[in-house]
Amino acid sequence: DAGVIQSPRHEVTEMGQEVTLRCKPISGHNSLFWYRQTMMRGLELLIYFNNNVPIDDSGMPEDRFSAKMPNASFSTLKIQPSEPRDSAVYFCASSVDSYSYEQYFGPGTRLTVT
Amino acid sequence: DAKTTQPTSMDCAEGRAANLPCNHSTISGNEYVYWYRQIHSQGPQYIIHGLKNNETNEMASLIITEDRKSSTLILPHATLRDTAVYYCIVRVASGNQFYFGTGTSLTVIP
Repeated sequence: DAGVIQSPRHEVTEMGQEVTLRCKPISGHNSLFWYRQTMMRGLELLIYFNNNVPIDDSGMPEDRFSAKMPNASFSTLKIQPSEPRDSAVYFCASSVDSYSYEQYFGPGTRLTVT
Repeated sequence: DAKTTQPTSMDCAEGRAANLPCNHSTISGNEYVYWYRQIHSQGPQYIIHGLKNNETNEMASLIITEDRKSSTLILPHATLRDTAVYYCIVRVASGNQFYFGTGTSLTVIP
């Protein structure tokens, strides 16, 4: 298996622009997680899905952030409008189910908002 | 909420055992101890987990004290590729979130 795939790997955008991050989980995994990592706050869970349904989005910082999972093999995290403080590395992870001891992380998307 | 305390950083000589401590004095009876690591510029990677018995796999060993208030991750023969941030996490088996905290930055020295 190719593992969790994220795109793009790097994104540079200007403040106010819309940003869409993409994730393809491992085939057969039923849970998908979006994390954000910054130096100040470390690794934070933003939202997770079970069987394509959002279960907990309490980590989403504000309404500018939205996430969707239209099918079992694809998820997006959208920021609109983007702000400089959104600059971070965004990781997607998947697991067999949400209770699994092992989450498999993708390589991350490094977002820079200028 | 990170319920664990780890040293900020540690060094280890290549080929020697790396012993990474973790304090989790408020751990509940149904909470497991998990270890993940994050090599620079990569996503975190699962290493091992346990409840109360010592555990060993191909990557590491996990030693949990009898009172379960602390544990030690052991990398038996550290290599340069083991240089990473190591996260100790406690979570109930039925939980679905990992709180990664700040971890221990391990540097393996040639």
